[in-house]
Amino acid sequence: SAVISQKPSRDICQRGTSLTIQCQVDSQVTMMFWYRQQPGQSLTLIATANQGSEATYESGFVIDKFPISRPNLTFSTLTVSNMSPEDSSIYLCSVSTGVPDYTFGSGTRLTVV
Amino acid sequence: KQEVTQIPAALSVPEGENLVLNCSFTDSAIYNLQWFRQDPGKGLTSLLLIQSSQREQTSGRLNASLDKSSGRSTLYIAASQPGDSATYLCAVRPLGNTGKLIFGQGTTLQVKP
Repeated sequence: SAVISQKPSRDICQRGTSLTIQCQVDSQVTMMFWYRQQPGQSLTLIATANQGSEATYESGFVIDKFPISRPNLTFSTLTVSNMSPEDSSIYLCSVSTGVPDYTFGSGTRLTVV
Repeated sequence: KQEVTQIPAALSVPEGENLVLNCSFTDSAIYNLQWFRQDPGKGLTSLLLIQSSQREQTSGRLNASLDKSSGRSTLYIAASQPGDSATYLCAVRPLGNTGKLIFGQGTTLQVKP
């Protein structure tokens, strides 16, 4: 299965600022996914990032708030913009290298103060 | 809209007990169902994946079953150990080629020595 390096592992940020999270995969993958896990909640898909095209956002998530880049088949970034305390969550990237394999990054624990 | 529910939300058992975690989903139009383990501060580890045409999968002390028609899955853990303490998440992959997963809220398991 693929190996994902996700950075940073955690951060504490001031409200109104932005944070960019990076995911590097050790193999080429078509689809990369970004999830959010709010405190005490399960994972919710933010968007699907495909190389060479705009990301596809789920209901309730918008590009202005969560811009995503996918410059190649092994790398993606998610930016959390103009942060508020409500954005405090764990953010995880995931890749599918074909059924049955889904691999997740170790997550970024974000605290907004 | 697909919804995934897990019960119980939390479970505490003495070491050596056999236990069952439950997952239910509202729409039987799924490609597969997967059980993950999440440890604090870490990403998700895939435990078992059951294709929609399968009834169960086994790995070591873990056995997962799937009854697609009734929208239910169970994860059976035999002879539990303190190292099994973690949050267990089930996720369904809906039919279609989006590749996204829909997660339940998880069961947090504590196995006491």
